[in-house]
Amino acid sequence: KQEVTQIPAALSVPEGENLVLNCSFTDSAIYNLQWFRQDPGKGLTSLLLIQSSQREQTSGRLNASLDKSSGRSTLYIAASQPGDSATYLCAVRPRAGNNRKLIWGLGTSLAVNP
Amino acid sequence: KAGVTQTPRYLIKTRGQQVTLSCSPISGHRSVSWYQQTPGQGLQFLFEYFSETQRNKGNFPGRFSGRQFSNSRSEMNVSTLELGDSALYLCASSQSTSGANSPLHFGNGTRLTVT
Repeated sequence: KQEVTQIPAALSVPEGENLVLNCSFTDSAIYNLQWFRQDPGKGLTSLLLIQSSQREQTSGRLNASLDKSSGRSTLYIAASQPGDSATYLCAVRPRAGNNRKLIWGLGTSLAVNP
Repeated sequence: KAGVTQTPRYLIKTRGQQVTLSCSPISGHRSVSWYQQTPGQGLQFLFEYFSETQRNKGNFPGRFSGRQFSNSRSEMNVSTLELGDSALYLCASSQSTSGANSPLHFGNGTRLTVT
């Protein structure tokens, strides 16, 4: 059974710091992995989607990597800003079976302090 | 292009009542999925619809139901509300159904409070 874990649950950093958020999954048979951000009381915004055949994806100051063999993905945020404060969630789409619903982590709550 | 629209944004209901939530996907998106989000459980998948057919279903009781219309708009219904149904209900749309490499686009959710 696929499980997704995000560590740490919460992170507080000073502005300008480069940081890494972690996402681990137990079954390497995935179709893709997505990173989302969620602001308080709002919906989720898709940040990056990595296909199973890809190693990384980049968008602006964000870089997400994928290592299926070790069951890990990282989201790297460069030069963090207070506006990056949000909860970051990762979700994997399993490859096997007919019911390929996304499996979600519980998220990392990030606070970037000015 | 307009994003995913969910109505209403907030709802307060009492136990035993029923509620209907609405979701309008991004134009051209045929897949709509629903999630329940609570602080302790995180995001829990409810169901997914594609071209008016339910494609996937999560592990929720039969009190939770949904449907999709020919214009891809979707509704979910919760009958006989319980206190534990208080949550943020999120709708997401995508261009294709499960397994395809298209990102999900979420609405801002409906915050349901059951008293």
